[in-house]
Order: sequence, then C-alpha cells, then structure tokens
Amino acid sequence: QVQLVESGGGVVQPGGSLRLSCAASGFSFSSYDMHWVRQAPGKRPEWVAVIYNDGSKKYYTASVKDRFTISRDNSKNTLYLQMNSLRAEDTAVYYCAKIMTIGRGDAFDIWGQGTMVTVSS
Amino acid sequence: DIQMTQSPSTLSASIGDRVTITCRASQTISSSLAWYQQKPGKAPNLLIYKASSLENGVPSRFSGSGSGTEFTLTISSLQPDDFATYYCQQYNTYPWTFGQGTKVEIK
Repeated sequence: QVQLVESGGGVVQPGGSLRLSCAASGFSFSSYDMHWVRQAPGKRPEWVAVIYNDGSKKYYTASVKDRFTISRDNSKNTLYLQMNSLRAEDTAVYYCAKIMTIGRGDAFDIWGQGTMVTVSS
Repeated sequence: DIQMTQSPSTLSASIGDRVTITCRASQTISSSLAWYQQKPGKAPNLLIYKASSLENGVPSRFSGSGSGTEFTLTISSLQPDDFATYYCQQYNTYPWTFGQGTKVEIK
C-alpha cells in the first residue's frame, strides 16, 4: 500500500545539524511533488518545504530558508531534509507528505508517521 | 503569507449533535482548501479537499462548503470516533498555511 516512513530524528544541540529521510513505497514517487510539514508540541502543523517531482524547483517557509535543504533521489524513492544551524524553535515532529494528484497544488492525502526532532542543550 | 483563522478554537458537543467549524482566509484562495482530522500522537488525516470534495473512505457525515475566503466543515451527526482536533489548510499559495485548529470535546 501507499506508505511514507520517516527516519533520522533525534536530539541535537542548538547550532547542530540533522538529516531526515522519508522512504516512499506503493506509488510512482517520481511523479509527485513532495513536502515536509512539521508540528511543534501543542501547535498547528506548519508547512516547511516542497520539491517538485523532478527536483527542478524547491520552496521553503521563510523561517528555514538558508538553513534547511530539501532534496530527493527518485532512483531510491527517498525524500530528504538537511537541517543545519538548528534552533530551539525547530523542535517538532517532522512529517513528509504526498499530495493527492500529479501536478502542483493539492491536499496531502498521505502522511508519514513523523519523526521527532528536539533541539536542546 | 495567507492567514487561516478557525472558529471556534474549542467546541463541546454530544453524540448525535450537528457540528460546524468555520475557517476564514486572509485573502482569496478559490477552492484550494483542505480539512484534516488529527488525533493525539497521529499524523493529520485528510477529510475534505477542494473545499467540498470528500476523500475516499471518509464517512458521509462529514461535508465541506465555501469558496474564496469563507469555508465550513460540518459533521451532521457527531460520533464517538469524531472527538479530535480539526485543521483547515490552504494550498493556493506558498507558504501553504494551516488554521490554528478546533478541538471537538465531549460535552
């Protein structure tokens, strides 16, 4: 079945780095734009970044621009999020998410189980 | 950024009640709106897309309406499994944004 499985979360000190991975299965990964969404404890979800299906374009929310990098390897059906210069306010559960349709701009129909990132000294 | 504002933030209701949640966008988003249900420790689950289209497998007691800047999610007859937090989300313009959530509690 269609599935997304995140990994790579953990506890990191402020200023540190982490790389999250999201393994996709059950659908044509290379056909879909893929997103990262995060949710701090007790807060609303926050969209983080998108990468087009072919990797040609990437967009980020302002608070992570120049610190986070989204990438993908379509040969491995895997999405990544490289997070540098981490701050306490980056503490959250990070989800990868797939949109419903091939193309741009649609709802998230599949979410991973999430991976927790804690930034603390 | 487009701000999404939900009301109410908390809603107390009984089994069988009709429940309505409102979501307002700070600028027009056409029908590029989704509703999600989230339970503690779980990822959000898609209920409604394109403002009024029911996702496959979602019970028909859920419905959505609206366009432009005003949207509603209605649960026609609240069931025990529906006690959860509900979020609206716009996907018209980056950065995509979510409402602050509406927690539906047992009265």
